[in-house]
Amino acid sequence: EPEVTQTPSHQVTQMGQEVILRCVPISNHLYFYWYRQILGQKVEFLVSFYNNEISEKSEIFDDQFSVERPDGSNFTLKIRSTKLEDSAMYFCASRDRGLAGELFFGEGSRLTVL
Amino acid sequence: QKEVEQNSGPLSVPEGAIASLNCTYSDRGSQSFFWYRQYSGKSPELIMFIYSNGDKEDGRFTAQLNKASQYVSLLIRDSQPSDSATYLCAVIPRGSWGKLQFGAGTQVVVTP
Repeated sequence: EPEVTQTPSHQVTQMGQEVILRCVPISNHLYFYWYRQILGQKVEFLVSFYNNEISEKSEIFDDQFSVERPDGSNFTLKIRSTKLEDSAMYFCASRDRGLAGELFFGEGSRLTVL
Repeated sequence: QKEVEQNSGPLSVPEGAIASLNCTYSDRGSQSFFWYRQYSGKSPELIMFIYSNGDKEDGRFTAQLNKASQYVSLLIRDSQPSDSATYLCAVIPRGSWGKLQFGAGTQVVVTP
């Protein structure tokens, strides 16, 4: 069964360092998303991406964050200068067509900022 | 700010009983409604979705939607210890690019 894959599963970094989280969405999917979940809190939307551009972003997704789809398969989330409060689980998700169907989630990347 | 509200629980349910979970949402224009299950440290996994008013059944799960009351619920029949998890209600708000807006989740504990 096709699945969304994310790497790394866990990354530990020092405050101020840049981090890139990688995702490989399901191959025929068209809509891509990043969510985050701080420990003990709810899953929060960060950004959606369609047709090689950001279609929607939340207030959390400030200038420290960026996304790109560099090669038609990978979908990356970059945090330019990490802060302690960026420590969270980051989930990538994708959807094939339409905006109301099932969203498939990856297993997540746990980011710990020290 | 559009909100999705759930009772955080924990909801303790004896094995074999029915678990009833509730969710309200503030955006009256929301069209799609989802229930996800999340085990600790894992990603959300879809249980079911519902678009129309009324009930939708899938195995031991039944989702109920009442758009007039802005209310969606999930019933889990014959609860099993493996159903112990956090259940997330999610909606797609009107005008969004398919983003899911999640509630904080209800923790369910099924006791043998």
